[in-house]
Amino acid sequence: DTGVSQDPRHKITKRGQNVTFRCDPISEHNRLYWYRQTLGQGPEFLTYFQNEAQLEKSRLLSDRFSAERPKGSFSTLEIQRTEQGDSAMYLCASSATSGSDEQFFGPGTRLTVL
Amino acid sequence: AQSVTQLDSHVSVSEGTPVLLRCNYSSSYSPSLFWYVQHPNKGLQLLLKYTSAATLVKGINGFEAEFKKSETSFHLTKPSAHMSDAAEYFCVVSDYGGATNKLIFGTGTLLAVQP
Repeated sequence: DTGVSQDPRHKITKRGQNVTFRCDPISEHNRLYWYRQTLGQGPEFLTYFQNEAQLEKSRLLSDRFSAERPKGSFSTLEIQRTEQGDSAMYLCASSATSGSDEQFFGPGTRLTVL
Repeated sequence: AQSVTQLDSHVSVSEGTPVLLRCNYSSSYSPSLFWYVQHPNKGLQLLLKYTSAATLVKGINGFEAEFKKSETSFHLTKPSAHMSDAAEYFCVVSDYGGATNKLIFGTGTLLAVQP
């Protein structure tokens, strides 16, 4: 399968713990996006990478959130000191710079903070 | 700033009848608009997109949408619903005002298809 993959698919953690999610984009895509989707809502933009550079962060991304894309390929999203309000689906998407700007989404990581 | 409003949170139709999912947009310039579908436990899938070419856009699985600038609408339609169409549908606008092309999603419309 050559689509966007995310790992893990589900994560249950206790409040105060740190969690890290991984996204592997489509291999030739240099644009990578993270979105968050809470129950009953549409996804909301969190952050954007072009290659390894993080070019935009949403105000939704508090100091407890950090994202990296060290070699311009896979990306990680870390949440420190998780809170119950962090419970959501975290979606990753990738797209190519040229040609179609369609964003291809991964299956998401569902985070539950107890 | 760009935004989209999905006018119905839930729509229920009978199998074989037409589907209409309504979306209005707000944009300070010519927008790129999309419809995505999300089936349970599956990733978001692009149904169709409008990027200032033809105003009537055909997508996958028999869906189409018409861009109406005068009404700032981009409603999604399908002539005959199938049970497999039951899913959540998102109207989306691309934020070309920034350099990121990030997507701005509506709140979604949950489509139920009754046998």
